[in-house]
Amino acid sequence: SQQGEEDPQALSIQEGENATMNCSYKTSINNLQWYRQNSGRGLVHLILIRSNEREKHSGRLRVTLDTSKKSSSLLITASRAADTASYFCATDVGSARQLTFGSGTQLTVLP
Amino acid sequence: EAGVTQSPTHLIKTRGQQATLRCSPISGHTSVYWYQQALGLGLQFLLWYDEGEERNRGNFPPRFSGRQFPNYSSELNVNALELEDSALYLCASRPYPPREETQYFGPGTRLLVL
Repeated sequence: SQQGEEDPQALSIQEGENATMNCSYKTSINNLQWYRQNSGRGLVHLILIRSNEREKHSGRLRVTLDTSKKSSSLLITASRAADTASYFCATDVGSARQLTFGSGTQLTVLP
Repeated sequence: EAGVTQSPTHLIKTRGQQATLRCSPISGHTSVYWYQQALGLGLQFLLWYDEGEERNRGNFPPRFSGRQFPNYSSELNVNALELEDSALYLCASRPYPPREETQYFGPGTRLLVL
């Protein structure tokens, strides 16, 4: 079952604009991770934020985590056509350590 | 350093047959996870192996099984294939104990059941 939902389901922006995706989850987490998937291929890890962290940056990526609201957001600044992909949040819960994925956001960056 | 590798990249089977998918983790990673990405169902956790043992499984029937070999590579077997087993099967690896929490994914095996 899905841990949570992502919104929007689809997002279309112009190159150079910022893209924001949101993720909500249901249970307490160890950490939350964001992945990118291009055209139904493997997942590429983007960034991990631990439950005791509130914000993290990596290059053009900024992730926030609000454990009180059980939500996270991923901001991609100055987007490029190459950022076109599906983006998934995934939560690491409890001792089992498998990931539970959100439903994903399909991002299209138009040149 | 080589990433997670999976084989084959594509697999076509007919209903009732068996499928075997293979995964080689990153060197030094002992944990292997399997996930299924079926159309409309999203990414679902299937199985977790570590040190040769099955540690946890998702909500899948017993005809989904696997094993982990002494070199930490893993095999996923799907028996009595059904049409709805058509999906992208992704393998991920991670060190255990989890010195690093990130799971690294392979390119996947796309299984088509006719």
